[in-house]
Amino acid sequence: EIVMTQSPATLSVFPGERATLSCRASQSVNSNLAWHQQKPGQAPRLLIYGASTRATGIPARFSGSGSGTEFTLTISSLQSEDFAVYYCQQYNNWPRTFGQGTKVEIK
Amino acid sequence: EVQLLESGGGLVQPGGSLRLSCVASGFTFSNYAMSWVRQAPGKGLEWVSTVGGRDNNTYFADSVKGRFTISRDNSKNTLYLQMNSLRAEDTAIYYCAKMSPRGDTDYWGQGTLVTVSS
Repeated sequence: EIVMTQSPATLSVFPGERATLSCRASQSVNSNLAWHQQKPGQAPRLLIYGASTRATGIPARFSGSGSGTEFTLTISSLQSEDFAVYYCQQYNNWPRTFGQGTKVEIK
Repeated sequence: EVQLLESGGGLVQPGGSLRLSCVASGFTFSNYAMSWVRQAPGKGLEWVSTVGGRDNNTYFADSVKGRFTISRDNSKNTLYLQMNSLRAEDTAIYYCAKMSPRGDTDYWGQGTLVTVSS
């Protein structure tokens, strides 16, 4: 099983600042990496697939990068609606696995 | 617009069974693999199971293998999860999810809560 490790667990950021979230895979997942956003009491939503492609309707302030085992999600200028938990997920191997999540909170 | 509507959650005793359903609309259901993903209270996301679109291949997390069965009825645009021998640790919100042809999860339902307790 591929273990996905996200860091940090919690990120405190001022509105308008940049946020950088990391995700590491225990073995290569190529570019088969997605990022999902989950707000309290809501279902997750796909943000990024293929490590760097924004899903339909996702604002350009969200960007993804990386391949192999190291990935980054960057939110260029945090808006109030971006404070949420973010999960990475690999879909290169079975079983599919998620990271434990990074909570982005208001500083 | 893609919509996924889960039902069938509830309170069940340890060792009991429950069947979840997910009715899909807004896309050609038979063309896409579908999954169940769960989230225990206050915890992260855990993939549970996937069934292929036309090939009907199935995949399961080790934590549910042998206890859970995934199936689909393409004529009814419905995905199922049959859960047997339920344990307290199966308590979670269960999300139905559509898989893209690339393999990622591109749409999520709102979830249905399963509580396993005596």
